[in-house]
Amino acid sequence: DQQVKQNSPSLSVQEGRISILNCDYTNSMFDYFLWYKKYPAEGPTFLISISSIKDKNEDGRFTVFLNKSAKHLSLHIVPSQPGDSAVYFCAGRRTGSARQLTFGSGTQLTVLP
Amino acid sequence: NAGVTQTPKFRILKIGQSMTLQCAQDMNHNYMYWYRQDPGMGLKLIYYSVGAGITDKGEVPNGYNVSRSTTEDFPLRLELAAPSQTSVYFCASSYGRGHPRDEQYFGPGTRLTVT
Repeated sequence: DQQVKQNSPSLSVQEGRISILNCDYTNSMFDYFLWYKKYPAEGPTFLISISSIKDKNEDGRFTVFLNKSAKHLSLHIVPSQPGDSAVYFCAGRRTGSARQLTFGSGTQLTVLP
Repeated sequence: NAGVTQTPKFRILKIGQSMTLQCAQDMNHNYMYWYRQDPGMGLKLIYYSVGAGITDKGEVPNGYNVSRSTTEDFPLRLELAAPSQTSVYFCASSYGRGHPRDEQYFGPGTRLTVT
């Protein structure tokens, strides 16, 4: 049972344009959603998060949108830069003391110069 | 701060062998986690700990054991390695509940092959 789904395994975007990465979830017990970025041979690094009671969170070039009724979130990167090329993971955090994360399968973003 | 460190970076095991993957953090984080990532998949939680002396199973604990005798260290033990345990293993840590910044910080990973 995939509780967090990233249906696009890959995305290519021209430098300077907008990148939109999508994520769907099924578990209504998630209280936070997080995006992580991963370069090859490195561990994931935290990028941005959003509380389940918000619908938007912005940090510089990165904005995450949450649509609770559709159980859908998206990460917008504007403008996209070649250094943004990486795998992006969406994760839902379960309510409760352990702060457990459930990850999607990731989307490989390639920003073309 | 070194952050989260993992050793070794790579390891090849024969079927039936055992090994311990080391993880340490120097950020005074209370919570620590072990994940595995198979090709084309997301990270799956193996075990986690909310403090020294406290551990609990995650989504895929079979074939693994953990201990947490100190705040800094969280080793993962593989007993009787099987080919299905071929994966990349990531350790992570966080401040935990009640802290304003409790996102998880990840180590660089250990790539394990069982043949």
